[in-house]
Amino acid sequence: NAGVTQTPKFRVLKTGQSMTLLCAQDMNHEYMYWYRQDPGMGLRLIHYSVGEGTTAKGEVPDGYNVSRLKKQNFLLGLESAAPSQTSVYFCASSYSNSYGYTFGSGTRLTVV
Amino acid sequence: GQQVMQIPQYQHVQEGEDFTTYCNSSTTLSNIQWYKQRPGGHPVFLIQLVKSGEVKKQKRLTFQFGEAKKNSSLHITATQTTDVGTYFCAVRSQTGANNLFFGTGTRLTVIP
Repeated sequence: NAGVTQTPKFRVLKTGQSMTLLCAQDMNHEYMYWYRQDPGMGLRLIHYSVGEGTTAKGEVPDGYNVSRLKKQNFLLGLESAAPSQTSVYFCASSYSNSYGYTFGSGTRLTVV
Repeated sequence: GQQVMQIPQYQHVQEGEDFTTYCNSSTTLSNIQWYKQRPGGHPVFLIQLVKSGEVKKQKRLTFQFGEAKKNSSLHITATQTTDVGTYFCAVRSQTGANNLFFGTGTRLTVIP
């Protein structure tokens, strides 16, 4: 039982490049989330999904897109990376919106 | 989004001393969650408090929810080096999605 798995763990991008971060969970959770963590800013919600085929914007959605084609996977895309998107990205899932979140180990992204 | 203030931002303690972090909201909360993030790690769910005045204990950790459900605290008795990390409170948004909004965290350093 792996929980929440994020790939890749590290990535360096050049400004303007695109990439996709993958999140996979094996707990049959309905809810999935993408957060970014920056020093002194805590965790900020980028996008979330309340079920397969659904997505919605969080606090800081600009510059990101997401897809949830399968219940177990939640993809975060950066179409044209910017240095301001340098951050640690965490995916999380939960059984419902009343339960605690299970987080993945994170992706450290640097945009140069 | 839901605003929540967490203090202090940093705390250094000698091993064996107690530690407390506080989370304050200007609005009444439906519930509050606490997470711990070890250095270089990911947030791990500790507990959720729901009832006014609720107190829960996990070994040396004591969690309290204020009577007015506007504040909460996490107290660690006799800190150990294993307690090192950042402790976050998280509260639900007021919108239908009920997403979690995280405080900025309290970074605890334990000096052996």
